[in-house]
Amino acid sequence: ILNVEQSPQSLHVQEGDSTNFTCSFPSSNFYALHWYRWETAKSPEALFVMTLNGDEKKKGRISATLNTKEGYSYLYIKGSQPEDSATYLCAFSRPGGGADGLTFGKGTHLIIQP
Amino acid sequence: KAGVTQTPRYLIKTRGQQVTLSCSPISGHRSVSWYQQTPGQGLQFLFEYFSETQRNKGNFPGRFSGRQFSNSRSEMNVSTLELGDSALYLCASSFIAGTGELFFGEGSRLTVL
Repeated sequence: ILNVEQSPQSLHVQEGDSTNFTCSFPSSNFYALHWYRWETAKSPEALFVMTLNGDEKKKGRISATLNTKEGYSYLYIKGSQPEDSATYLCAFSRPGGGADGLTFGKGTHLIIQP
Repeated sequence: KAGVTQTPRYLIKTRGQQVTLSCSPISGHRSVSWYQQTPGQGLQFLFEYFSETQRNKGNFPGRFSGRQFSNSRSEMNVSTLELGDSALYLCASSFIAGTGELFFGEGSRLTVL
């Protein structure tokens, strides 16, 4: 059984502030780390897929880093806006997907306060 | 490009009944995965199909089954429903099997009474 842990579970951030949260995953037999954003009443949407240790990806005000040796990834949001309010999910996969498919964490629920 | 379509969106069943959920992937995607979300839990992997073959299956009882058709559309079936099967069932399609970026549907919310 693979464990993917996300922290914090929930987060309230003032509009305009920057924030970050963590995803921890098994460091052995790693293939890829995914980040998804899930807004209420919508479907989860992919933000990043990262495969290489040291990878850093950016999409607008959102960026992510990956450390496969120690098994963690950070997601950063710069200058938070109300539309950033969502649950952010990370998911881990092994080569070929394995018996677990993508293993998801329980998510970080982010609320941006105007 | 049309997204992933799941039907029905909402349904209510009683214990002991069976249910079939349908998923139409993005055109050109041959991999379809199913996930279950219950309150307080992350997305739990049910199974993945690629080119009509089940590639992987998660840790769910045999009451949960699925299939994929030649047009890549997929169905999942849950027989002998239990109260604990009440959940949001998400389907996701991908161009690459196993590890590719997932494109999710909006889900089918099942309530078992």
